[in-house]
Amino acid sequence: GDSVTQMEGPVTLSEEAFLTINCTYTATGYPSLFWYVQYPGEGLQLLLKATKADDKGSNKGFEATYRKETTSFHLEKGSVQVSDSAVYFCALSNAGGTSYGKLTFGQGTILTVHP
Amino acid sequence: GAVVSQHPSWVICKSGTSVKIECRSLDFQATTMFWYRQFPKQSLMLMATSNEGSKATYEQGVEKDKFLINHASLTLSTLTVTSAHPEDSSFYICSARDRSGRGADTQYFGPGTRLTVL
Repeated sequence: GDSVTQMEGPVTLSEEAFLTINCTYTATGYPSLFWYVQYPGEGLQLLLKATKADDKGSNKGFEATYRKETTSFHLEKGSVQVSDSAVYFCALSNAGGTSYGKLTFGQGTILTVHP
Repeated sequence: GAVVSQHPSWVICKSGTSVKIECRSLDFQATTMFWYRQFPKQSLMLMATSNEGSKATYEQGVEKDKFLINHASLTLSTLTVTSAHPEDSSFYICSARDRSGRGADTQYFGPGTRLTVL
């Protein structure tokens, strides 16, 4: 079945540091890929998405490129802020067959940014 | 737009009682809603897929008689945890997919309900 693997956390950075959170996936067909963010005490929010190979999703300074050859969707940000402290989830949605619309999540990566 | 609410946000109950959690799409119609369970510091695990007007589809290993799901309208789905026990304590999250096609490949998530069974 489909699966998503994220780099283990927690990740602790200083403000303005460069961020990378690795994400790789296993899926049949051509899934859509997502990054969700969960701030403390809140529900998940869509951060960015990519629906086909070589697409780049971007939002709020975060970027991720859909790499089919390496089955990866790594999240990057050039300069993190304290307000970026949250849990980040990589996920995929496979449109094939009975899987349509289901999201498969990675285990989540806790990011803490210090001033 | 695309707001999903859950009620209650937290609930504490005694072992053996039943608890109902509501999930509402506030500004869009959702033919499909999903229910997830999130354990501390772990990922979200899909429990079931709820389609308006039909029976929910449960994931393998999820007891359908214990976790009753009703999707009565295009804006409301409910999850009832029957005869709750301490091991059912968790964070329950719903999501909804917009029927209009806006963000058809995207689910909108509720803020979650923290259930604690004593």
